[in-house]
Amino acid sequence: AQSVTQLGSHVSVSEGALVLLRCNYSSSVPPYLFWYVQYPNQGLQLLLKYTSAATLVKGINGFEAEFKKSETSFHLTKPSAHMSDAAEYFCAVVHPSGGGADGLTFGKGTHLIIQP
Amino acid sequence: ETGVTQSPTHLIKTRGQQVTLRCSSQSGHNTVSWYQQALGQGPQFIFQYYREEENGRGNFPPRFSGLQFPNYSSELNVNALELDDSALYLCASSTRTSGSVDTQYFGPGTRLTVL
Repeated sequence: AQSVTQLGSHVSVSEGALVLLRCNYSSSVPPYLFWYVQYPNQGLQLLLKYTSAATLVKGINGFEAEFKKSETSFHLTKPSAHMSDAAEYFCAVVHPSGGGADGLTFGKGTHLIIQP
Repeated sequence: ETGVTQSPTHLIKTRGQQVTLRCSSQSGHNTVSWYQQALGQGPQFIFQYYREEENGRGNFPPRFSGLQFPNYSSELNVNALELDDSALYLCASSTRTSGSVDTQYFGPGTRLTVL
């Protein structure tokens, strides 16, 4: 079984500062990893995904994440925060075999606050 | 291209009642997964449907059941509602191909309140 730990339920950064949201996973085999963003009263929007190709993954809205097998991490970063980045961010993992029939396993989420 | 849609957007029920939530998958997708997101938590996997059959299930009791139709749309049914069933229910569609895991695209969700 796999699991995801997101360190920090709330992260606050100033507008223009670096955004770093942490995600560590536990899995018996290298998993596929995803970051989703959720704005208030909305569903989840995919930011980026890692599926065993390049370890540095670029996503939408200037976000990127690096898969580090030795650290079992998949941290999300953005060089310069915008006010519109304020939202809930979820890291998710899925076992690559079985066609995803086990579903995504999500972390508890990190609420990103952008200070003006 | 039409995205994932869900209905209704909000629903209020009382304990013991039954509820049906609906989901239309994104064009070209053949797989639907359902998730429950309690307030302040990450989504939890309920089950997945592929080719009109349940082919994966999370840790949810049998009173959570579903259907998938030939057009790949899906329903989530919950019987004997409990207060703890109050949550945002998310549907996600994807394309299942042999030996790979496709990205799941989520709908806006249905907010269920059980009184």
